[in-house]
Amino acid sequence: TQLLEQSPQFLSIQEGENLTVYCNSSSVFSSLQWYRQEPGEGPVLLVTVVTGGEVKKLKRLTFQFGDARKDSSLHITAAQPGDTGLYLCAGERGNQGGKLIFGQGTELSVKP
Amino acid sequence: DVKVTQSSRYLVKRTGEKVFLECVQDMDHENMFWYRQDPGLGLRLIYFSYDVKMKEKGDIPEGYSVSREKKERFSLILESASTNQTSMYLCASSSRSLGRVRPGANVLTFGAGSRLTVL
Repeated sequence: TQLLEQSPQFLSIQEGENLTVYCNSSSVFSSLQWYRQEPGEGPVLLVTVVTGGEVKKLKRLTFQFGDARKDSSLHITAAQPGDTGLYLCAGERGNQGGKLIFGQGTELSVKP
Repeated sequence: DVKVTQSSRYLVKRTGEKVFLECVQDMDHENMFWYRQDPGLGLRLIYFSYDVKMKEKGDIPEGYSVSREKKERFSLILESASTNQTSMYLCASSSRSLGRVRPGANVLTFGAGSRLTVL
């Protein structure tokens, strides 16, 4: 059973388009992290959201944590080829000693 | 530049061989983790350690063991490699002791990965 459902799994868009990636669960998380992974590299942290309803912006990327802390979204405005990569959400459950549960990942390809 | 180093980037082994994957971090982190990454499945936790000589099973420990003799080094061992262990293996570390974690503090720093093929 996948505790964190991430969608879509694949996304191929043209440069300049907007997109949203979703991360959903029936479980409550104490925090939600988003990572980006490029080919041949390990995932790198983009942002951590902790408070229900929290919104964080990182240039053209907007991250939101759901009010009930069960879901999160990543919105990219005017995508660029440099945004290409694998995006992973990861939930932290307070009673799991800080272990992270990862979604399946979203493979994003932005074509020029 | 702080980092997590996985010494073997690519390995090809035969079924039944013993495989060692080494991971070293230079950040003085207490916690270290081993994940495997497969398409469509995301990252799945194999084992983790929150102190020297301590280890805890993750979600998929079967067929694997680990060793943490020094704080900076966490090794993953496949006692008898099988074809279904062909995967990308990622090591990670984090800076907070699990017993003192606060929400959002358990940020992982990953190595570049070890791609293992078992024939």
